[in-house]
Amino acid sequence: QKEVEQNSGPLSVPEGAIASLNCTYSDRGSQSFFWYRQYSGKSPELIMFIYSNGDKEDGRFTAQLNKASQYVSLLIRDSQPSDSATYLCAVKRVGDYKLSFGAGTTVTVRA
Amino acid sequence: NAGVTQTPKFQVLKTGQSMTLQCAQDMNHNSMYWYRQDPGMGLRLIYYSASEGTTDKGEVPNGYNVSRLNKREFSLRLESAAPSQTSVYFCATQGTGPAFFGQGTRLTVV
Repeated sequence: QKEVEQNSGPLSVPEGAIASLNCTYSDRGSQSFFWYRQYSGKSPELIMFIYSNGDKEDGRFTAQLNKASQYVSLLIRDSQPSDSATYLCAVKRVGDYKLSFGAGTTVTVRA
Repeated sequence: NAGVTQTPKFQVLKTGQSMTLQCAQDMNHNSMYWYRQDPGMGLRLIYYSASEGTTDKGEVPNGYNVSRLNKREFSLRLESAAPSQTSVYFCATQGTGPAFFGQGTRLTVV
């Protein structure tokens, strides 16, 4: 079992719709969770991080964490063509220095 | 404030050649990382350095060496490049929060 797994994608959504991305992780000791966006040919850039159970909102983005079920999700509301990218989920375990990444989910927003 | 700077951005090597990828950060972070990214494989950790003076292997260390020169700089060396090392390489740094990435080095080994 991979440490971090994401929807295989690709995910295609119409402009203005909600894109929902899911990520599950295997280690219950994980404490920090991050979502990165990566445009084609570019480096990953941080969108959001979440440490506590529940929802965290930042503009059109909402991260949701459920440690009991070991999943973290990202919702993109009012999706725009500029949101078309690959989204990477990353998890950091307690006492560990490194991040573990999922393989990413590619999102395409149709105009 | 440049953040994380990698050099070079592009490189073509012949099989068996050596080279060093450079990474420098001005974020005053203790931890630094080297990842490679291949299509469909996501980001895989090659080596990391939790603090100045320490380095540790990640998932895919074979064929690579690293040096944490000081707090700011972390280099990745390929001693004898192989076609399997064709990839995009990212350096990242992390303090107590998220990691931040350099712009990447696209390496082709022919």
